[in-house]
Amino acid sequence: DTGVSQDPRHKITKRGQNVTFRCDPISEHNRLYWYRQTLGQGPEFLTYFQNEAQLEKSRLLSDRFSAERPKGSFSTLEIQRTEQGDSAMYLCASSEPTRLAGGLRELFFGEGSRLTVL
Amino acid sequence: AQSVAQPEDQVNVAEGNPLTVKCTYSVSGNPYLFWYVQYPNRGLQFLLKYITGDNLVKGSYGFEAEFNKSQTSFHLKKPSALVSDSALYFCAVRPHNTNAGKSTFGDGTTLTVKP
Repeated sequence: DTGVSQDPRHKITKRGQNVTFRCDPISEHNRLYWYRQTLGQGPEFLTYFQNEAQLEKSRLLSDRFSAERPKGSFSTLEIQRTEQGDSAMYLCASSEPTRLAGGLRELFFGEGSRLTVL
Repeated sequence: AQSVAQPEDQVNVAEGNPLTVKCTYSVSGNPYLFWYVQYPNRGLQFLLKYITGDNLVKGSYGFEAEFNKSQTSFHLKKPSALVSDSALYFCAVRPHNTNAGKSTFGDGTTLTVKP
């Protein structure tokens, strides 16, 4: 296992189309996070899962965004009816269980999926 | 609400000189603090973290960070900079509540080390 993988790495779409991103975390990492990053800004939290349960979702996340982690392994992030403001890098990260991390879990990031909405 | 400020967009140092990248934070209760580095076209990589205890934390690639509770700061330092340290650095904070998953990041500081 070489790390967190994300697919696709780049996506160009027209406004109004739906897009889906996939994230495969490091195996045995029970937490999975989605962040969004735009140029000149730090990663902005979107949501996270512990196993298959979505435990927190940013209030900034519109209803057009939905994330799933159906079997507690990979996750998908879907954006419906994309808008130009959705153009960003979508980052996925995972972290190991608390019992292994001593209560503190650093994040292991993938290389991101870049979305361009025309 | 938790927040992180990185007051410098850009830090320039000469190779061999010491470097400091500044970070201040705001969080309810005690913080967990992190530094991450992002090289061009690469994902963010963990550098070091502060949990509790010793205020000076040592991490990867010779970096260290000093936690200062009274100043709510967690500045990243290295005694002797290398050209290969040139990258984008992010500070992040998370509260001690282990059920809280959200880490909040600063907007990053671009470090340029010149030969």
